[in-house]
Parts: sequence; C-alpha cells; structure tokens
Amino acid sequence: NAGVTQNPKFQVLKTGQSMTLQCAQDMNHNSMYWYRQDPGMGLRLIYYSASEGTTDKGEVPNGYNVSRLNKREFSLRLESAAPSQTSVYFCASSERFDTEAFFGQGTRLTVV
Amino acid sequence: SQQGEEDPQALSIQEGENATMNCSYKTSINNLQWYRQNSGRGLVHLILIRSNEREKHSGRLRVTLDTSKKSSSLLITASRAADTASYFCATGPVFGTSGSRLTFGEGTQLTVNP
Repeated sequence: NAGVTQNPKFQVLKTGQSMTLQCAQDMNHNSMYWYRQDPGMGLRLIYYSASEGTTDKGEVPNGYNVSRLNKREFSLRLESAAPSQTSVYFCASSERFDTEAFFGQGTRLTVV
Repeated sequence: SQQGEEDPQALSIQEGENATMNCSYKTSINNLQWYRQNSGRGLVHLILIRSNEREKHSGRLRVTLDTSKKSSSLLITASRAADTASYFCATGPVFGTSGSRLTFGEGTQLTVNP
C-alpha cells in the first residue's frame, strides 16, 4: 500500500518552460488536493478535487491547471513556469472533504 | 486569509517538558485536525477532534476544542527530541461552507532540546 505517490521528487525548470506534476493515490479516496509550501510558511491550497470529475480553485490557482484524470490520479500543470513558482508542492488525498488527509512526500521545484 | 492560525509561531523547550500549541479559526467547523511535518517531508495526521467533542487523547497528545471561542490546543506531554517538527492545525468545514476542503494554518515550529 503506497499511499500517495508524487513524481518527480525534484525538478529544475527554466522560466517559461512547462511541466506536469503527477500524483496518484491507492486508497480509493474521493478528495484530492494540491498545495504549495514556501520556506517557513504553511500550506497554501492551489486546487482541489472534492470528487472524481470535479475540480475547484483554492487560494493561489493563478499559473496552474489541474486534471482529475480518474479517481486515483490528480495532476498539476504549470504552463509557463515563473521564478515565483519555486516551491515545494504537496499532493494529498482524503476519503471525504473533511476527513484525515494523507500527503505525498513532495516535489521540490526550482524555476530559474 | 487562513482559516486556522497557530500560536506561537515558534516554541523551544527542553526534553521532558510539555509543549502547548494553540489554533484559532473563524468559521463553523465539522472537525479540527492536527498534523505534524518533519523537515522537508509531507504532513502526517496526528489526531482529529469533532465539533461535538471537547477533549481527545492519543498517547502523549491531548487536544482540546472550544467551539464557543473557536479555538483548539494541542498538548504534547513529556516531550522528546524526536518531537521536533512543525505542527499544523486544519479545519474540516461544515458541508456547503468555506468550500469542500481542509484549510491549514501556518504552523508552529517546535524545537525540543536534548
């Protein structure tokens, strides 16, 4: 039972490049989330998916897009990376919107 | 702004002492959760307390919830160096309010000195 798996673990992008962060969970959870965490700060919600087939914006959605590909997978896409998007990105899932969340190990993204 | 706000932002204690962290929130909740984050790692769930509960225990953890004051506290007793981490509260909303997702505070950085 792997829980929540994120790929890649580390990535360096040049300004303007695009990339997709992958996230998959094997717990049959309905809700999935993407957060970013900047040094010394808390988590800020980028997008979430309360159930398969739905996605909603969080606090900081600008510059990102998401796809809930199926119940297991929730990807985050940066269309044109900017240095301000340098951060650690965490994917999480939960059975319901208000139950215990399980987190992946994070993707450390640096945009130069 | 964040739904949950932790206080203090940073706490440094000696091994064996108790550590208390507080969380305040703004809107009605279904539950409140506490998470721990070791440096550079993902968050790990510690404990969940429902809105109709006032106190909950799990090992060396004790959580209280006061819905009238919209606040919660996390007490770690007999702290160990291994408890050094950031601790976050997260509020689980009432369905149909504040969006259908957990909202995290900015965390308390706990340092336990050996």
